[in-house]
Amino acid sequence: KQEVTQIPAALSVPEGENLVLNCSFTDSAIYNLQWFRQDPGKGLTSLLLIQSSQREQTSGRLNASLDKSSGRSTLYIAASQPGDSATYLCAAPLYNNNDMRFGAGTRLTVKP
Amino acid sequence: EAQVTQNPRYLITVTGKKLTVTCSQNMNHEYMSWYRQDPGLGLRQIYYSMNVEVTDKGDVPEGYKVSRKEKRNFPLILESPSPNQTSLYFCATGRKMNTEAFFGQGTRLTVV
Repeated sequence: KQEVTQIPAALSVPEGENLVLNCSFTDSAIYNLQWFRQDPGKGLTSLLLIQSSQREQTSGRLNASLDKSSGRSTLYIAASQPGDSATYLCAAPLYNNNDMRFGAGTRLTVKP
Repeated sequence: EAQVTQNPRYLITVTGKKLTVTCSQNMNHEYMSWYRQDPGLGLRQIYYSMNVEVTDKGDVPEGYKVSRKEKRNFPLILESPSPNQTSLYFCATGRKMNTEAFFGQGTRLTVV
């Protein structure tokens, strides 16, 4: 079964810093790689989806990259803001397999 | 507006009293699923449905039932809730399995 790991578990940075969140997965036969944001007690919001044939996706200050061969994805957040404070989760579902497994998430705090 | 709507958002109930958490989506998605989220355990899938009248067990189905009589609705039924089912529950949908996932706002259930 797919195992997804996110490091670090928590991260605190001052406002304005650029930062990188990491996601690793054990099975590289993925259908896609999805990044989500979760605010406390709320549902998950889809941020970026990278198809298995793609290397990266960008949305505003967010850039996600995918390296299937090494089983890794990174989420880069540029010029962080206090409003970016949330937990970020990744999921790496496999082809033809109901296996949308999530990492435990990285809890990000951006201090003003 | 594309929505996944869960009801209720908060529920406190007593052991053994049957309850239903509803999930409705307006995106004509074929795939729907239920997750529970617990501290230290992350998101775990309870049940999923590939389409109308097609449901299957996820990782933690014990104590739960589901039905998919219509495409838009996927209720989660707890026939005899127990305290270990106290959790934050999420409904998620996708155009198909493993495509971009859309989550409801969550239902916080407490069983006393």
